[in-house]
Amino acid sequence: EVQLVESGGGLVKPGGSLRLSCAASGFTFSSYSMNWVRQAPGKGLEWVSSIISSSSYIYYADSVKGRFTISRDNAKNSLYLQMNSLRAEDTAVYYCARDYDSSGWNYWYFDLWGRGTLVTVSS
Amino acid sequence: QSALTQPPSASGSPGQSVTISCTGTNNDVGGYNYVSWYQQHPGKAPKLMIYEVNKRPSGVPDRFSGSKSGNTASLTVSGLQAEDEADYYCSSYAGSNNLVFGGGTKLTVL
Repeated sequence: EVQLVESGGGLVKPGGSLRLSCAASGFTFSSYSMNWVRQAPGKGLEWVSSIISSSSYIYYADSVKGRFTISRDNAKNSLYLQMNSLRAEDTAVYYCARDYDSSGWNYWYFDLWGRGTLVTVSS
Repeated sequence: QSALTQPPSASGSPGQSVTISCTGTNNDVGGYNYVSWYQQHPGKAPKLMIYEVNKRPSGVPDRFSGSKSGNTASLTVSGLQAEDEADYYCSSYAGSNNLVFGGGTKLTVL
């Protein structure tokens, strides 16, 4: 089955760190650019970060630049998001999302999403 | 980067058509044909409905169509069905390797 499964969410204090993982299965993970998209409770979607298939190019939203690090391990079919210096406004469901095209580059639309993992930043 | 502007809500009766707008600037919607639309049911992950302004992924009914004029993109749902009731989000490439989403529109089928 083609799917993405996120894990690693939880409750963390402001200033703390958390590492999210996304396990891919059912498709050639190494052929696709991958992304993290988040959704604060009751709010809209916000793109967080993107990494192309070879990891050669990585991009971040201004809101997380310098605090979050995206990475991937194609041998393990896994995507990661290291989140440091967390703030209350980072509280959200974090989705792993696959770019539509299998060229490995960004086309900026996402055809496969995981179910998300909730990150809550609170003291 | 500011979010794209969508109406908070839209509604229509079964069988009718409804159009949801998504307004940006010439730095995002108006500057690129990388506008997409997503459907999200409560508690579920988003689903890609339209990409590159007016293309439908395999499996998306042709009742869903997209268009763009200047800095405004639109999603039209024809022949409304009960299962179309959901939140809809537009997105656009915004240059400099940045993606921006709209604030979302809650579609109600009356």
